[in-house]
Amino acid sequence: GAVVSQHPSRVICKSGTSVKIECRSLDFQATTMFWYRQFPKQSLMLMATSNEGSKATYEQGVEKDKFLINHASLTLSTLTVTSAHPEDSSFYICSLERGTDTQYFGPGTRLTVL
Amino acid sequence: EDKVVQSPLSLVVHEGDTVTLNCSYEVTNFRSLLWYKQEKKAPTFLFMLTSSGIEKKSGRLSSILDKKELFSILNITATQTGDSAVYLCAAGAGSYQLTFGKGTKLSVIP
Repeated sequence: GAVVSQHPSRVICKSGTSVKIECRSLDFQATTMFWYRQFPKQSLMLMATSNEGSKATYEQGVEKDKFLINHASLTLSTLTVTSAHPEDSSFYICSLERGTDTQYFGPGTRLTVL
Repeated sequence: EDKVVQSPLSLVVHEGDTVTLNCSYEVTNFRSLLWYKQEKKAPTFLFMLTSSGIEKKSGRLSSILDKKELFSILNITATQTGDSAVYLCAAGAGSYQLTFGKGTKLSVIP
């Protein structure tokens, strides 16, 4: 069965608004979750590593003030895209590691900014 | 900079054919090599490889890792139209991070 859920699966918003995406671990406690984005016909790019109870670690080139990550519990991490612009339109995917090196992905959230 | 290169980028085969997808990697503190299948949404896990020369098999899919040559292959035998997808290879390095290749788009035609 599913290990990771994401909500919403799809969101359309106006430019300048903020969008929150939730990532939930369904059957175990995840101290670390990962956020990726994927542009059409491109591969996944790691945006940040979300650590429960501490600040997220952002990859080079990812604006931490624009992509706010909160990992408040062992089963929930949220990504908030602040003041979204059309270039932020993308497929956002979270994942968590279970066992050794095996990452399980959520179903993804397609964000369209008008 | 960590790098994962997949080839070919796209491939069209007929049902019943056998295909081999390639993945080479250059990562610091390499831990594992993972293969994923991505259809319309998020990737689904196929294999994780950590040791050289040990083939992992799941039905018609198999994969093997060569840590000396920094290379892995994914084989699919007797392909079916349901195998059509993008196959992603990722190298796990350091602390949990995965570096993904660009993927191989496989199209299986009846």
